[in-house]
Amino acid sequence: AQSVTQLGSHVSVSEGALVLLRCNYSSSVPPYLFWYVQYPNQGLQLLLKYTTGATLVKGINGFEAEFKKSETSFHLTKPSAHMSDAAEYFCAVSDRRASNFGNEKLTFGTGTRLTIIP
Amino acid sequence: DADVTQTPRNRITKTGKRIMLECSQTKGHDRMYWYRQDPGLGLRLIYYSFDVKDINKGEISDGYSVSRQAQAKFSLSLESAIPNQTALYFCATSDPGSGGTDTQYFGPGTRLTVL
Repeated sequence: AQSVTQLGSHVSVSEGALVLLRCNYSSSVPPYLFWYVQYPNQGLQLLLKYTTGATLVKGINGFEAEFKKSETSFHLTKPSAHMSDAAEYFCAVSDRRASNFGNEKLTFGTGTRLTIIP
Repeated sequence: DADVTQTPRNRITKTGKRIMLECSQTKGHDRMYWYRQDPGLGLRLIYYSFDVKDINKGEISDGYSVSRQAQAKFSLSLESAIPNQTALYFCATSDPGSGGTDTQYFGPGTRLTVL
């Protein structure tokens, strides 16, 4: 079984400040990891994903995340927050082994709502 | 035009009524999913379908049923709605990429209220 824990259901940062959203995962096999963003009144869209290779993954809108196996973490960062970053962010994990059999499903965290202070 | 559409976008109904939520996609993907989103609980998988003939229960399928009418259409039904089914419902599609790391594409959601 796999699971994701997002620390902090609400995070507030000032415009221009560093954004750090935390995600820890649990998986019995090497995971695939994702960050999705949900803007108000919209569906989710993919920010970035880690599959194999480089552990620092760059996504859209200046976001990046680093896969740290030893810490079972996949934290999302952005050097300088913008007002348009206000949204809810979801970390998700899928089972790499199930994926190889074409049976991949995502398990989502509970989400972190990011507020940007002008 | 949106690649994944959901109808209706908002629905208010009464306890005991039958409700159908519809999802259509123009992405040509074989895989489709239904999730519900509740505050503080994130997204939970209700049902998923990897092709027209393949339908599987997710983690919270009780009280729900689905129909995959075609590759492009996947409907979610609540046979007898109850208040704790009040939630935001999302449809998603995906297509296996290399290594099976398929990205999921979400519709705009249906907000369902059961009184």
